[in-house]
Amino acid sequence: DAGITQSPRYKITETGRQVTLMCHQTWSHSYMFWYRQDLGHGLRLIYYSAAADITDKGEVPDGYVVSRSKTENFPLTLESATRSQTSVYFCASGGLDSYNEQFFGPGTRLTVL
Amino acid sequence: DQQVKQNSPSLSVQEGRISILNCDYTNSMFDYFLWYKKYPAEGPTFLISISSIKDKNEDGRFTVFLNKSAKHLSLHIVPSQPGDSAVYFCAVQGAQKLVFGQGTRLTINP
Repeated sequence: DAGITQSPRYKITETGRQVTLMCHQTWSHSYMFWYRQDLGHGLRLIYYSAAADITDKGEVPDGYVVSRSKTENFPLTLESATRSQTSVYFCASGGLDSYNEQFFGPGTRLTVL
Repeated sequence: DQQVKQNSPSLSVQEGRISILNCDYTNSMFDYFLWYKKYPAEGPTFLISISSIKDKNEDGRFTVFLNKSAKHLSLHIVPSQPGDSAVYFCAVQGAQKLVFGQGTRLTINP
């Protein structure tokens, strides 16, 4: 199916564990983004990528790592999860000429105990 | 230092009336503005946008107004319908990325 998918949709982990959230898009969009949504903060950008092998920090990158070896995939890794990283994570993608009109995945709800 | 602010966390409107959602931004260099709508357990979806060369853009029941001198953006929904109940985010285009506001939860009452 065309679109943007995220996995897992729900994840519970413990403090200190490594967690990877997956994002896959089938549109061949150049841009991909990771956001977190927290009450009172709206959507905050964690990392983004303009193309394969090109990534850059957003507003709240600390504690996260990304990679983009293929255009269609943009995994987000929490190297050592902390409780403050409990959040809903959204992946999004956008084309070169319309990166501002981003298309969002359904989200991953992550709980760090 | 929030570049985009939605000062009303929630708004309740009667069905059939007008809903007005507001957004303020700080940087006069922003030149493209968007509204996204989000239902529970789903990702945000693009709703409507406006560039800085315009002061109004309409799409059906949705109209976005831009007041550049006041650095203020608003979304009008007329008439409001129960399906409009959602969280609305305004966003501004920065360098290669969007900056989002905190969101306003709109509830349409029958």
